[in-house]
Amino acid sequence: AQSVTQPDIHITVSEGASLELRCNYSYGATPYLFWYVQSPGQGLQLLLKYFSGDTLVQGIKGFEAEFKRSQSSFNLRKPSVHWSDAAEYFCAVGHYNTDKLIFGTGTRLQVFP
Amino acid sequence: DAGVIQSPRHEVTEMGQEVTLRCKPISGHDYLFWYRQTMMRGLELLIYFNNNVPIDDSGMPEDRFSAKMPNASFSTLKIQPSEPRDSAVYFCASSSNRGTDTQYFGPGTRLTVL
Repeated sequence: AQSVTQPDIHITVSEGASLELRCNYSYGATPYLFWYVQSPGQGLQLLLKYFSGDTLVQGIKGFEAEFKRSQSSFNLRKPSVHWSDAAEYFCAVGHYNTDKLIFGTGTRLQVFP
Repeated sequence: DAGVIQSPRHEVTEMGQEVTLRCKPISGHDYLFWYRQTMMRGLELLIYFNNNVPIDDSGMPEDRFSAKMPNASFSTLKIQPSEPRDSAVYFCASSSNRGTDTQYFGPGTRLTVL
């Protein structure tokens, strides 16, 4: 069955520290992969997406993610976290022959000053 | 652009009452999605439309849930009768070409059924 796993429910980092949020997927074909961010009381906003090509994808707000087929992973990274990055982050998977996305359960990021 | 608009932002109702949630997608977007978010089940796709036509409603939990899209600028999600387990945040999202294109989410409607 197709699925997305975000192993970390909650992560706390200090402002200025580096960040890596993990995402693993199970999919029968080469997937389309997404990271969305949800600020408190808001809807989700797309950070970045991978369809094909370069496995390192740059997104908005200084985020990047790397697709590793051998590990079925699509981890999100940021070299230096800002307090405004505190939010919930969702990984999602899709495919070219479907319009439906499967979302992970999310990782809540807390940033300490 | 105003983005995806949802109303109401908060709804508190009593068990057994009818609830109608409303969504206005971004102009020109052909796809509209309804999601439900709960702590227990995360973000679930309920139904989606393409060019006002329902394509996949397999995520609609029960017959108590129904959704319509009478035109390109308006959609409703109705729950009748409502139950406490329907309490959740309901999101509407739209995208321009495919569901795998960027989906733009509304701010959500927080529904509480007492």
